[in-house]
Amino acid sequence: EDQVTQSPEALRLQEGESSSLNCSYTVSGLRGLFWYRQDPGKGPEFLFTLYSAGEEKEKERLKATLTKKESFLHITAPKPEDSATYLCAVQAGSSNTGKLIFGQGTTLQVKP
Amino acid sequence: SQTIHQWPATLVQPVGSPLSLECTVEGTSNPNLYWYRQAAGRGLQLLFYSVGIGQISSEVPQNLSASRPQDRQFILSSKKLLLSDSGFYLCAWRVRGSYEQYFGPGTRLTVT
Repeated sequence: EDQVTQSPEALRLQEGESSSLNCSYTVSGLRGLFWYRQDPGKGPEFLFTLYSAGEEKEKERLKATLTKKESFLHITAPKPEDSATYLCAVQAGSSNTGKLIFGQGTTLQVKP
Repeated sequence: SQTIHQWPATLVQPVGSPLSLECTVEGTSNPNLYWYRQAAGRGLQLLFYSVGIGQISSEVPQNLSASRPQDRQFILSSKKLLLSDSGFYLCAWRVRGSYEQYFGPGTRLTVT
């Protein structure tokens, strides 16, 4: 069964304290791994797509990496405005319809 | 540029009442459309997806139904709401041939 597990569930950081969020996946033939940011009461905002092991993507203070079993979202020198829930999702190779399987998310709080 | 709309933004309905949530996409043609539900503290669960007008596939058997009367319109309905239907409902779209899904602002449904 295709599955996505994110850890930790919650993370508290001081402003400027770098850290990483983990997304472990089990999927039959990965077509893509996606990272989203979700603010309270809003829809998820697309951040990155990773397609193959070794790939990396960067956006401002965020950097996403991918291995054959997991992905990391590295947050460098975070600011309070980076506080949000970060969602990881995968699309399996068996899916032609774009179905995404989501993890439970990591809620990040950055204190000034 | 593409835009996705959902309405209403919030809804409080009694048990047993009907439901109609609407999603429209602008700036693209023939998108794949998706309905997700996000329960409190849980990940996103795919409910329905559509690859074209009148074409609906259900992922989870439940009290809900979906319809796509126009190319860029996707509707989620119920004849009689249950307490368990409460949640945050998200519509998403995807350009055919690409992998990324983009989400709308969501509808918060509370069934009382």
